Order: sequence, then structure tokens, then C-alpha cells
Amino acid sequence: DTGVSQDPRHKITKRGQNVTFRCDPISEHNRLYWYRQTLGQGPEFLTYFQNEAQLEKSRLLSDRFSAERPKGSFSTLEIQRTEQGDSAMYLCASRSTGGAGPNYGYTFGSGTRLTVV
Amino acid sequence: KQEVTQIPAALSVPEGENLVLNCSFTDSAIYNLQWFRQDPGKGLTSLLLIQSSQREQTSGRLNASLDKSSGRSTLYIAASQPGDSATYLCAATNNDMRFGAGTRLTVKP
Repeated sequence: DTGVSQDPRHKITKRGQNVTFRCDPISEHNRLYWYRQTLGQGPEFLTYFQNEAQLEKSRLLSDRFSAERPKGSFSTLEIQRTEQGDSAMYLCASRSTGGAGPNYGYTFGSGTRLTVV
Repeated sequence: KQEVTQIPAALSVPEGENLVLNCSFTDSAIYNLQWFRQDPGKGLTSLLLIQSSQREQTSGRLNASLDKSSGRSTLYIAASQPGDSATYLCAATNNDMRFGAGTRLTVKP
């Protein structure tokens, strides 16, 4: 297992189009997270899954955003009717919650850079 | 809600200098604190993870400390090199991970 993989690395789309990103976590990690990062800022939490269950969604995740992790393995993040403000780096991370608590570090993918024109 | 602050926002130092990056967090009930490096346009690379029960972690020229009671962590970089130039992010984990805005470090040859 080589880590967390994200596809595509870059996406340019026209305003109003739908886009979908994919994340493949480390296989033994049960938790998967999505973050969004804009220029000059730290990543902002969007949502996370434990196995196939989506346990939390940020207020940043508007109705145009939807995330799935159907079999508890890979995850997809879809943005409908994209807007220029959606332009950002979308980062995926995974970790294991084995043991007594969430003391295990996150492993991040390389991200998908979205540009909405 | 956890809020994470990093100071300074940017730092420029000559090669060879030792430096300290600061991170503060508002909710001390964290499980761990993690330091990451991010190169321009790239993802995050984990540098050090400090569990809530630990005081510090070391990796090569890097040393990170954690003081939960005061809500602070520091990243110490010894003998800085131009290759250390990047943005350094700290993140505190409660139920999920919250990031600071980062410190953009430039090490001049």
C-alpha cells in the first residue's frame, strides 16, 4: 500500500458543471476525511466517514456537495453546479482508530486542485 | 470549537540558523497534535505526531513539543537548510483535525 491516492490531480471546469473526485485511502484505515484548502490558508474540514457511514459534515458542505464511501473503501466527493468560489485544493486523509482512542496520525493524499473558470 | 493559531505567518532566515515555529490551540482536550510540511501546490507531508500523553517528539533536525495545559506546541528546526523552505502546518485532533493557517518558511542560502 503506497498511501492515500487522489484522482484527478488537477481539474479545470466551467462554472455550472458537475465534478467528481475520488480518494483511495490506506486499506486498513477505517476513517476517511475530506478537507478543502484555499490559497494561504490551512485545510478546512468538510466531512468524514467511519467505514461507510458519514458521521459529520461541516457547514462548509453546502447542498451542492455530496460525499460517499459506499463500501467503506474508496470515497467520492461530488460538487454540483460549480461556482468560482469552489476553486481550491481538495484533500483527502485517512487514519485508523484502532486501540483506545483516535491517537493515530492522519495520512494525506496529494490533493485534487480544482479550478472553476 | 477548536481554533488553531500559528505565529509567525511568515519567516525568512539565513541558512544554518536554528528557528522555532509556534502553534496555539483553544481546546486542550486534544488526542494528539501533528505537524505537517506542505510544498507549494502539493499535499501534506507528516513530520511529527505528539500524543496527548507525550511532551515532545524528535525526528532528525526537527523537535516538536506539546504543552496541553497552556494550549501550545512548538516546532524547532535546527541548522536550517534551503530545502526546509515550505509552509509548516500544525493540526490539533479532538474528534477531527483542525489546522492552523501555517507558517511560510524561507531559508536563504
